[in-house]
Amino acid sequence: EDQVTQSPEALRLQEGESSSLNCSYTVSGLRGLFWYRQDPGKGPEFLFTLYSAGEEKEKERLKATLTKKESFLHITAPKPEDSATYLCAVQARNYGQNFVFGPGTRLSVLP
Amino acid sequence: DSGVTQTPKHLITATGQRVTLRCSPRSGDLSVYWYQQSLDQGLQFLIQYYNGEERAKGNILERFSAQQFPDLHSELNLSSLELGDSALYFCASSSTGGRQETQYFGPGTRLLVL
Repeated sequence: EDQVTQSPEALRLQEGESSSLNCSYTVSGLRGLFWYRQDPGKGPEFLFTLYSAGEEKEKERLKATLTKKESFLHITAPKPEDSATYLCAVQARNYGQNFVFGPGTRLSVLP
Repeated sequence: DSGVTQTPKHLITATGQRVTLRCSPRSGDLSVYWYQQSLDQGLQFLIQYYNGEERAKGNILERFSAQQFPDLHSELNLSSLELGDSALYFCASSSTGGRQETQYFGPGTRLLVL
């Protein structure tokens, strides 16, 4: 059965303490994996798209990587403004052009 | 700012009522998607339109319907509302709705059914 999971459910870091968020997927024919950031009560904000295993993308303190079964979002020296829920979404053959979202990881960065 | 607009921002109504949510996609985008986000369900895909035609359906209830107009804006109609329909409703748009396209999300409409 196709599935998208994210771990941990919640993560609390001190400012400057680097860590990684995980998105695991079991889908048929991955077409793309997307990372979004969502602040409370707001719409998801696009971060990265990854299309094939081995691909990496970076933006400021964030780096996303992709393997055949999972993606990691690495956060280096996070700041309090990085606090948000991070969502991953997959587009797969069985879903056509549609996204299936994981449940998200709620990140809190304490000053 | 993603360029996707949604109105209204907030909506409070009673059970059994009907409401209409509106979405304007980014300039040039032909495809519109609707999602529902509740506390216990996460983001759930409802329906997709491309250039006025329905392209895909997800977990959309029969009480819900949508359409996309010639000017490409879209409306999501929710009827016979129940308490459980209280949620954030997001619209997203993409260029052609094709494979591997990024979807850009609007700010959402928060619906509260009392």
